[in-house]
Amino acid sequence: DTAVSQTPKYLVTQMGNDKSIKCEQNLGHDTMYWYKQDSKKFLKIMFSYNNKELIINETVPNRFSPKSPDKAHLNLHINSLELGDSAVYFCASSVRTAGEQYFGPGTRLTVT
Amino acid sequence: AQSVTQPDIHITVSEGASLELRCNYSYGATPYLFWYVQSPGQGLQLLLKYFSGDTLVQGIKGFEAEFKRSQSSFNLRKPSVHWSDAAEYFCAVGYTGGFKTIFGAGTRLFVKA
Repeated sequence: DTAVSQTPKYLVTQMGNDKSIKCEQNLGHDTMYWYKQDSKKFLKIMFSYNNKELIINETVPNRFSPKSPDKAHLNLHINSLELGDSAVYFCASSVRTAGEQYFGPGTRLTVT
Repeated sequence: AQSVTQPDIHITVSEGASLELRCNYSYGATPYLFWYVQSPGQGLQLLLKYFSGDTLVQGIKGFEAEFKRSQSSFNLRKPSVHWSDAAEYFCAVGYTGGFKTIFGAGTRLFVKA
C-alpha cells in the first residue's frame, strides 16, 4: 500500500533516446509534482498539476513533457536525452497546493 | 524574491548530543513551513509542519521546530541525536499566495559515535 510510487527506480540510457517515468499516488490528493534532484542534492520543482491541470511549469527544456491522465497519475516523458539530464527525479503529491508533500522513492536516471 | 536559506551545508554532532538546524526564509506573509528528511537512496519524508497557531511544533522521530516570525526562521531541534538520524534535512516553505513550495539547499547531518 505504497502512497506514492514511481517506476522505474533506475533508468540507464544513451544520449538521444526517449524515456518515460511513471508516478501514481493512492492518497486521493489533488496536486502532483515532479522534482529534479542534482548530484549536490539540490531539489528543483519542474512541474505541478492540480486536478489534472498544469499549474507550475518552471524553466524546463521542452524536451520534458508531463502528462496527467487522471488525478492519481503524473507521468514524465523526456525526449532526446542529454548528459545533463542525469539526476534523481522525484514525484510528489499533496492535498492542496503549497501544502505538505508526500514523495515517491525517486527514479535515478543515468544518461551515458 | 522568495527564498529559503539553510546556512549550514553540513553539521557533525556526537550521538546523544543536541541538534539545531537553521532555516531562514523571505516572504511578506506567513508561509507554510516544513522540514523533510532524506536518508541515502530514499525519497523525502515529512518530519513536521507549521501552518498556524502554536509556534512550537512537534514532529516525528523526536524532532521539534519553532517558528519565529520576527526572525523569519523555522529552526529544527532534537534534544538527543541517534546515529540513525544521519541524513539530509531540507527546510521548505509553501507560499500561500501561489502554488509553489521552495526547498532549501539542505543540511547534511553526520553523527559520530
